[in-house]
Amino acid sequence: GAGVSQSPSNKVTEKGKDVELRCDPISGHTALYWYRQSLGQGLEFLIYFQGNSAPDKSGLPSDRFSAERTGGSVSTLTIQRTQQEDSAVYLCASSLLRANTEAFFGQGTRLTVV
Amino acid sequence: SQQGEEDPQALSIQEGENATMNCSYKTSINNLQWYRQNSGRGLVHLILIRSNEREKHSGRLRVTLDTSKKSSSLLITASRAADTASYFCATVKETSGSRLTFGEGTQLTVNP
Repeated sequence: GAGVSQSPSNKVTEKGKDVELRCDPISGHTALYWYRQSLGQGLEFLIYFQGNSAPDKSGLPSDRFSAERTGGSVSTLTIQRTQQEDSAVYLCASSLLRANTEAFFGQGTRLTVV
Repeated sequence: SQQGEEDPQALSIQEGENATMNCSYKTSINNLQWYRQNSGRGLVHLILIRSNEREKHSGRLRVTLDTSKKSSSLLITASRAADTASYFCATVKETSGSRLTFGEGTQLTVNP
């Protein structure tokens, strides 16, 4: 596809369950970002990939959160033992790996933990 | 406080008026970007201004950057109802490569 694709669009899960969120970036984009956005708030940085490595994972809120990227393409954000405070929209973005370039965002996954 | 803080938090204007949103940041930056978000989902890039630039235009958008004050402004001229959205500034620090750090955003409402 031409843009960043995220799946699922919406996910409702029970507290304590694990969830996996997927991001398919634009082909050729080496940089990939995950953000979290609570209702009416700004974007909270989670993790940043350059290729398959994550030089900056400082935003992951706890060890229940992990992310991986394989083949320099698709990335998966995993949340283990979900809590109600994990409910948010999870946004993925990708960009070329060079200075002064814009990021392209997917439409996000709305996660609701009940 | 977060890098990239916008003010006002909310702005309501009439169609045809100009809208000005401000952004302040704390550290040295490589560039500053403005994004728009409709309905709380994906963000769309509007404009990027480099640290050595002071002003940039794109259609009805005008962005200024004052690195001495660590601030930027986004001006939307002749606003339209379709401009109603949340607007975010994002900074790329000199030391952090391509990581984008976003502020809390300004909710703009343009009344017809």
